[in-house]
Amino acid sequence: AQTVTQSQPEMSVQEAETVTLSCTYDTSENNYYLFWYKQPPSRQMILVIRQEAYKQQNATENRFSVNFQKAAKSFSLKISDSQLGDTAMYFCAFMRANAGGTSYGKLTFGQGTILTVHP
Amino acid sequence: NAGVTQTPKFQVLKTGQSMTLQCAQDMNHNSMYWYRQDPGMGLRLIYYSASEGTTDKGEVPNGYNVSRLNKREFSLRLESAAPSQTSVYFCASSKSAVGLAGGNEQFFGPGTRLTVL
Repeated sequence: AQTVTQSQPEMSVQEAETVTLSCTYDTSENNYYLFWYKQPPSRQMILVIRQEAYKQQNATENRFSVNFQKAAKSFSLKISDSQLGDTAMYFCAFMRANAGGTSYGKLTFGQGTILTVHP
Repeated sequence: NAGVTQTPKFQVLKTGQSMTLQCAQDMNHNSMYWYRQDPGMGLRLIYYSASEGTTDKGEVPNGYNVSRLNKREFSLRLESAAPSQTSVYFCASSKSAVGLAGGNEQFFGPGTRLTVL
């Protein structure tokens, strides 16, 4: 079974600064996908960024980027130029894939990190 | 295009009562999921339906049943509610669970906050 661990229950950052959220995972699989989801106070789950394990290049989406270290089983999220709207709970999640790259579709989530952006 | 909708948004039950949480998606997705979110924990998968006509257990299925009514709708039933089932419940959908290369983004509904007294 897979496990996902987020060791930072809470983080805070000043507006316009950069913050990094940590995530580690444990799996015996070689092919998988990793995700960061954002959950603002509205409770809506929003996909922030996705990484395929077979890709060495780190994924980026505008101000969001990841540092994917497959050997270390680490998947951190960096938020640059933090904005007040980034205040939310952030979840790291893992999805299995078989050898052909097809996914089984089941997400395993970490416990979440509450990020507060201060003006 | 409403995405994933859930009803009700809030519900209070007494121990032993039953209820059904409804979920519908209008994105023509094949796969649907039910998760629960407890304080201090991430979402945990209760049941999922890889395609219309199939359902399977997730990580925490005890005390729940599901029905994939058609391609659009996936309901979650609590037959005899217990205080341990107090939680926020999320429904999600994706294009496919299997057979499609690449990680499949799951789209989530707004959640149902359930309290069992």
